[in-house]
Amino acid sequence: GQQLNQSPQSMFIQEGEDVSMNCTSSSIFNTWLWYKQDPGEGPVLLIALYKAGELTSNGRLTAQFGITRKDSFLNISASIPSDVGIYFCAGLTGNAGKSTFGDGTTLTVKP
Amino acid sequence: GAVVSQHPSRVICKSGTSVKIECRSLDFQATTMFWYRQFPKQSLMLMATSNEGSKATYEQGVEKDKFLINHASLTLSTLTVTSAHPEDSSFYICSARRQGGAFFGQGTRLTVV
Repeated sequence: GQQLNQSPQSMFIQEGEDVSMNCTSSSIFNTWLWYKQDPGEGPVLLIALYKAGELTSNGRLTAQFGITRKDSFLNISASIPSDVGIYFCAGLTGNAGKSTFGDGTTLTVKP
Repeated sequence: GAVVSQHPSRVICKSGTSVKIECRSLDFQATTMFWYRQFPKQSLMLMATSNEGSKATYEQGVEKDKFLINHASLTLSTLTVTSAHPEDSSFYICSARRQGGAFFGQGTRLTVV
């Protein structure tokens, strides 16, 4: 089946630093989604990407849909303590709606 | 605001009993919803696809008689964990597709004692 390789697995950064994480796949996706999950909560959608090459921002977050449609990255600028959590990428194909998830990147921000 | 609501957020049940979890799309109709299971510090594992008005599609290895799914309306899907055992303790999350992406409920923490 389809698999997403998400890296890094975890990050420990200082408040104010920028963060970058990415997902790659051997399969092509039509849509890339990035989520943040806080402990005990469901994932919250941060950014959705629909076209190859698309670059989209949401506040301090920026994500891009790779040209090959097999990868995506998420950047967080000027990190703050509330950015702590687990970030997941997800790829969608077609209209079936079934998502393939990366294994997540756990972000820790030190004040 | 939330577009998918899941209830309850936490439930503790005795071994051998059944537990029902509800997933509602709040401001849109969802002909398809998805149920996931998540173990601590792991990614989401798709259990089944819930189809309005028809049988759910289960992923390989997921027992359909154990995890009953009913999608009786365009805004509600339910997951019933039957004859629950401690190994069924987990975090269960539903999601629904809508224009703009796939949205998740708040999740249900099930503890079987």
